Amino acid sequence: GAVVSQHPSRVICKSGTSVKIECRSLDFQATTMFWYRQFPKQSLMLMATSNEGSKATYEQGVEKDKFLINHASLTLSTLTVTSAHPEDSSFYICSARLTGIGMAFFGQGTRLTVV
Amino acid sequence: DAKTTQPPSMDCAEGRAANLPCNHSTISGNEYVYWYRQIHSQGPQYIIHGLKNNETNEMASLIITEDRKSSTLILPHATLRDTAVYYCIVRGIIQGAQKLVFGQGTRLTINP
Repeated sequence: GAVVSQHPSRVICKSGTSVKIECRSLDFQATTMFWYRQFPKQSLMLMATSNEGSKATYEQGVEKDKFLINHASLTLSTLTVTSAHPEDSSFYICSARLTGIGMAFFGQGTRLTVV
Repeated sequence: DAKTTQPPSMDCAEGRAANLPCNHSTISGNEYVYWYRQIHSQGPQYIIHGLKNNETNEMASLIITEDRKSSTLILPHATLRDTAVYYCIVRGIIQGAQKLVFGQGTRLTINP
């Protein structure tokens, strides 16, 4: 299957700082990427849909000014958690959709811990 | 988006077939059924998908009922490494972007 690489896999940051997470589709072009958040023992929660060259579409209840998404190229989307707080600690996962087929492939996830 | 219903947990003996059911009674005609699994602390892994015909690949088989209101994922010879949470998802469409919305899934435990 197609490969989606997410970086970093783990990050610890201090409260009030910002953290950037990268999501790359390595062997295909992805016009659409998705960002999810997952708390312990819960399912994945869709945060936003990112389309190359346009603004992201956020799900209800997700603060767009706090979770900045940039999808500047067909192989890269970034999620920046701004002014992070301990309650933002979570497992963040990106996925990239294979154009024309519809299936999405997922990155390995980023474990964010805010202290 | 059509919703899915899955049992929260299942057990299966190693070497036996694992049959994971999913109900999607509100599925519409152009929506596919996708199956993913998530092993602890990893991103979800694509398994298989289908529209109305049964599908098989190197990982699993997907059986979709004729009325498309339910499906079953079959792992023919389960191994310990198949222990994971399995998600059945019906693909939704909004504004041209086909997002995948995850339910609670089935936690499958393969026992030695």
